[in-house]
Amino acid sequence: EAGVVQSPRYKIIEKKQPVAFWCNPISGHNTLYWYLQNLGQGPELLIRYENEEAVDDSQLPKDRFSAERLKGVDSTLKIQPAELGDSAVYLCASSLQRANTGELFFGEGSRLTVL
Amino acid sequence: GENVEQHPSTLSVQEGDSAVIKCTYSDSASNYFPWYKQELGKRPQLIIDIRSNVGEKKDQRIAVTLNKTAKHFSLHITETQPEDSAVYFCAAFGGYQKVTFGIGTKLQVIP
Repeated sequence: EAGVVQSPRYKIIEKKQPVAFWCNPISGHNTLYWYLQNLGQGPELLIRYENEEAVDDSQLPKDRFSAERLKGVDSTLKIQPAELGDSAVYLCASSLQRANTGELFFGEGSRLTVL
Repeated sequence: GENVEQHPSTLSVQEGDSAVIKCTYSDSASNYFPWYKQELGKRPQLIIDIRSNVGEKKDQRIAVTLNKTAKHFSLHITETQPEDSAVYFCAAFGGYQKVTFGIGTKLQVIP
């Protein structure tokens, strides 16, 4: 069975440019997470979906970040415009059960460098 | 919200020795505590977890203990091997259904 798939793995852009990351969760997993991971830090939640509903986006900087999960499967995270401080790894994860009971399966991450 | 503190941030041990990583959490409603291992450039992967109704869990060389009263849990790795070198993250699933991670511990096992 395929794991969580993310693309692109690496992205280098100039500041003020837009960027988008895509995530395909494990088939059947209803919960999907986007995390931000800075170098030497733990993952920080940006947004959590239960099916197609964003149930926790309190940490998502909504002035420049947006996300969607159409049809409750794949998800896209967008940054527009990107800033230097957005350089980080963006991790997508999915789980089968509700957030407080299940294992998270992570993708390989999308490493963003903003110049 | 939940606050998870993890220490030490770095840990070096000789091969064969034991390693202990400790985490504390703030939300008394948290009830699930996983540990993830992340090798350089790779995805975090679950290595062991514990639920709030259990005090200790073992899986070969890895064990996790939980003290709900004190709100802390620990990862114990015995007979460490070079392939144990990685960053380890603790996490807590809190009362708001939010997963909060610790900052990570970089473990180096010296051959």
